[in-house]
Amino acid sequence: EIVMTQSPATLSVSPGERAILSCRASQSVSSKLAWYRQKPGQAPGLLIYDTSTRATGIPARFSGSGSGTEFTLTISSLQSEDLAVYYCQQYDNWPLTFGPGTKVDIK
Amino acid sequence: QVQLVESGGGVVHPGRSLRLSCAASGFTFSSYGIHWVRQAPGKGLEWVAFIGFDGSNKYYADSVKGRFTISRDNSKNTLYLQMNSLRAEDSAIYYCARDILSSDGGGSLDHWGQGTLVTVSS
Repeated sequence: EIVMTQSPATLSVSPGERAILSCRASQSVSSKLAWYRQKPGQAPGLLIYDTSTRATGIPARFSGSGSGTEFTLTISSLQSEDLAVYYCQQYDNWPLTFGPGTKVDIK
Repeated sequence: QVQLVESGGGVVHPGRSLRLSCAASGFTFSSYGIHWVRQAPGKGLEWVAFIGFDGSNKYYADSVKGRFTISRDNSKNTLYLQMNSLRAEDSAIYYCARDILSSDGGGSLDHWGQGTLVTVSS
């Protein structure tokens, strides 16, 4: 099983500032990496897939990068509605696995 | 628009069974693989199971293998999760989610339902 780790566990960012979230896989997942956002009280939603492709309707302030075992989600200018927990997930191998999440707080 | 609506959750005693359903609409259900993902209260996401578009391919998390069975009825646009021998650690919100790739999946999860809560308690 591929183990996903995320850092930091919590990130406090002021509105308008940049947030950088990291995700690491225990072995290479090629580019088969997705990011999800889960707002309080809601189901998760797809943000980024295939490492860097934004899902439908996701604004350009969200970008993904990386390959192999190291990945990054960048929110270029944080908005108040970005308060959420962000999960990375690999789909290169079964079983699919998620990281433990990064909680983004608005400072 | 794509909609996934879970149902069937509730409170059940340890060792008992429960069947969850996921009703799909807004897309050609028979063309897509579908996943079950769960989230224990206050915890992260755990992938549970996947079924391919025609039911031929199925995958399970080790934590549920041998106890849970995923199935689908394409004539009813409905996905199921039969959960047997339930344990306290199975308590969670269960989400169904569509795979972004048609056929036998292998992609990310692009549409999610709102979830149904399962509580296993004596």
